[in-house]
Amino acid sequence: EPEVTQTPSHQVTQMGQEVILRCVPISNHLYFYWYRQILGQKVEFLVSFYNNEISEKSEIFDDQFSVERPDGSNFTLKIRSTKLEDSAMYFCASSWDRDAIPPNYEQYFGPGTRLTVT
Amino acid sequence: AQKVTQAQTEISVVEKEDVTLDCVYETRDTTYYLFWYKQPPSGELVFLIRRNSFDEQNEISGRYSWNFQKSTSSFNFTITASQVVDSAVYFCALSSDAGNMLTFGGGTRLMVKP
Repeated sequence: EPEVTQTPSHQVTQMGQEVILRCVPISNHLYFYWYRQILGQKVEFLVSFYNNEISEKSEIFDDQFSVERPDGSNFTLKIRSTKLEDSAMYFCASSWDRDAIPPNYEQYFGPGTRLTVT
Repeated sequence: AQKVTQAQTEISVVEKEDVTLDCVYETRDTTYYLFWYKQPPSGELVFLIRRNSFDEQNEISGRYSWNFQKSTSSFNFTITASQVVDSAVYFCALSSDAGNMLTFGGGTRLMVKP
């Protein structure tokens, strides 16, 4: 069964450094998302991406964050200058299988990247 | 603004007991989608069910069942004859439209003891 993959599984970085988290969504999906989960807390939406542009973003997704789909398969989240409070699990998700009849709107999540900022 | 509330932060049951996880939502949209996800100790988010706001039929899948009550804005999840492998955090989520962001509740940690 197709699945969303994410790399790396764990990233440790120093405060102020740039990090890029990578995701390969399910092929045929049209929507891509990033969410984060601070340890022990709920899952929070960051951004959604459709048709090569951001379709929605939350207040968390400020100028320090950016997303990109550099080729036909990868979807990346960049944090320009990491802060201690960016430490969290970052989940990528994808949805809306363009070939599914009836339409399938479920968001399928990757296994997550645990980001630790020291 | 949308909001999802899972009032039960932690539930502990003994194996084979039935358990219901509550979910109450708020939205101004007339059309919306409700979801349940399971997060086992390994950390991934596993999709369990999606329900459209215009479909109030309850659903059963094996030991899992879901009760959608639009009148009370609730979408409760029942596990029948719980098993140790059901131990996880369960999240209820809401989306205003297909493809839109998910708003998650705070999650309910279910511990099933042998």
